[in-house]
Amino acid sequence: KNQVEQSPQSLIILEGKNCTLQCNYTVSPFSNLRWYKQDTGRGPVSLTIMTFSENTKSNGRYTATLDADTKQSSLHITASQLSDSASYICVVSGPGGTSYGKLTFGQGTILTVHP
Amino acid sequence: GAVVSQHPSWVICKSGTSVKIECRSLDFQATTMFWYRQFPKQSLMLMATSNEGSKATYEQGVEKDKFLINHASLTLSTLTVTSAHPEDSSFYICSARRTPNRDNTEAFFGQGTRLTVV
Repeated sequence: KNQVEQSPQSLIILEGKNCTLQCNYTVSPFSNLRWYKQDTGRGPVSLTIMTFSENTKSNGRYTATLDADTKQSSLHITASQLSDSASYICVVSGPGGTSYGKLTFGQGTILTVHP
Repeated sequence: GAVVSQHPSWVICKSGTSVKIECRSLDFQATTMFWYRQFPKQSLMLMATSNEGSKATYEQGVEKDKFLINHASLTLSTLTVTSAHPEDSSFYICSARRTPNRDNTEAFFGQGTRLTVV
């Protein structure tokens, strides 16, 4: 069964600190991996998307890494801000062929940044 | 980035009534849109794939007669929750992809609709 597991389930850090969120997946075959940020009561917003051949991708203070051999990804947040408080969701897409690749969602990591 | 808009953002309805949720792609055409459901502290669960001009494809366990999907144009899909019950209370989210047949196409999500059935 294709799965996406995220850790930790929740995380509390102080403003200005860095943190790293983890994502392990068993989706196979694999097309791409995405990280989304979801604020409470809002829809997910894309942070990064990486294909099989990409090892790292940055978007401002967010840096995602991907190891397709071990099927692991991480999202590193630098110099956290209060507005970073949200749920971060790892989403893995299988190849779709003639249709869209099916997205498998992780359960998310709830990040809380305290002043 | 591309914008996907959902309406309404929240709705409260009486048990037994029907509720329609709209999903619009504002600045691109979407031949395919997706409807998700999310319970508190849980991940998004795909309910159905909405295809412009044809019938929606429902995931296993989702009642197609209860969750009616219409994708009448390249920029609009609607989800109607019929004869709503309190257990239908949830956060409903739609997403759209800009180009068909490309796996790494970005998926843009609407802001979600909070449905409360009383």
